[in-house]
Amino acid sequence: GQSLEQPSEVTAVEGAIVQINCTYQTSGFYGLSWYQQHDGGAPTFLSYNALDGLEETGRFSSFLSRSDSYGYLLLQELQMKDSASYFCAVRRYGGSTLGRLYFGRGTQLTVWP
Amino acid sequence: DTAVSQTPKYLVTQMGNDKSIKCEQNLGHDTMYWYKQDSKKFLKIMFSYNNKELIINETVPNRFSPKSPDKAHLNLHINSLELGDSAVYFCASTPRERGATDTQYFGPGTRLTVL
Repeated sequence: GQSLEQPSEVTAVEGAIVQINCTYQTSGFYGLSWYQQHDGGAPTFLSYNALDGLEETGRFSSFLSRSDSYGYLLLQELQMKDSASYFCAVRRYGGSTLGRLYFGRGTQLTVWP
Repeated sequence: DTAVSQTPKYLVTQMGNDKSIKCEQNLGHDTMYWYKQDSKKFLKIMFSYNNKELIINETVPNRFSPKSPDKAHLNLHINSLELGDSAVYFCASTPRERGATDTQYFGPGTRLTVL
């Protein structure tokens, strides 16, 4: 099995920086993905880390430490449109489960003006 | 062009009924999935299909039966609907089952309400 922990809610103001943490426990860990979901919408891919370190994509960055079973999503220069739920998800290897995603319960980010 | 589409977008039905949700992807992907998202937004994988072949059933009741007529389509049929089946069901696709780094593309979701 697998378990992922992330905060249920985070709030911040426009222009700020926010970090959403994710800790995981799983066998056959392969990588950590991040998805964004606006209310009423579908999850959309943000970032993926298979190796330790920081991946940067515009205002969003994601970090992974495999030894600590820990990752985070960093959102900079927050905008109102960033208000959404953010999910971390583990990819597992082994048998036929490679490529399959197991999601955390999501972090609701609210950005205030 | 819509990459992953689902119909219907909303489905309201009575307990005990049978209903189907359809999914189509025009991305040429080999692998498709069904996810269930509950009222607390927990997103859980239900099924995985690779080239029309069922890869995994994640302990889903056998009232749920996926069917893949071809690799671009994955339908979900639910028998004897129960109140607890109320959720948003997402279809997703990815280029290949064993693609560890491949992004998953989600459909818009089908909100099922069982009364």
